[in-house]
Amino acid sequence: AQKVTQAQTEISVVEKEDVTLDCVYETRDTTYYLFWYKQPPSGELVFLIRRNSFDEQNEISGRYSWNFQKSTSSFNFTITASQVVDSAVYFCALSEPDGAGSYQLTFGKGTKLSVIP
Amino acid sequence: ETGVTQTPRHLVMGMTNKKSLKCEQHLGHNAMYWYKQSAKKPLELMFVYSLEERVENNSVPSRFSPECPNSSHLFLHLHTLQPEDSALYLCASSQAFLDSQYFGPGTRLTVT
Repeated sequence: AQKVTQAQTEISVVEKEDVTLDCVYETRDTTYYLFWYKQPPSGELVFLIRRNSFDEQNEISGRYSWNFQKSTSSFNFTITASQVVDSAVYFCALSEPDGAGSYQLTFGKGTKLSVIP
Repeated sequence: ETGVTQTPRHLVMGMTNKKSLKCEQHLGHNAMYWYKQSAKKPLELMFVYSLEERVENNSVPSRFSPECPNSSHLFLHLHTLQPEDSALYLCASSQAFLDSQYFGPGTRLTVT
């Protein structure tokens, strides 16, 4: 069984503050993928990152960074110097092979981030 | 037209109707996906096609029937739906299976 927990339902920050969105996952597989997606108020989902289980190197993309810690089964997402345009719902997801040649993909419930000007 | 397009954007249908959702990608990708997003449940991956073959076999009711006639088009055929099927249906595509996905704007479906 797999499970993705995004404990923070809603977060509000003031513009320019840093914010970290938590994601904790459960899996018994050694091979799996982790994802983050963004869904702004317009509703269109935006893919942010995919990370495989063998690559624990942290990644930075502009103001976005991701911290993958296998020891704690976490894949946290940090936005530095937040901006109003970062306001969105952010989803973490886990995919692992189902043993039949395909992958199951499970999403967390999402964290709604509001950046206040 | 670029990216991933979905039609219609909004659909209201009765439980006895048959309708189809259409998705088209103009990105030259080889994989296409259907997702369901409802207010009461987390985002769900329904179907995945890679090189026009279904690769994901989630537990989706048979009243949803996907079709992928070629790598650029994906359909979701709907029949005898239930009110709880009301949701936002999102289509996505990627170059390879589970690679970076590009999403369409979604079809907001209401079943009355």
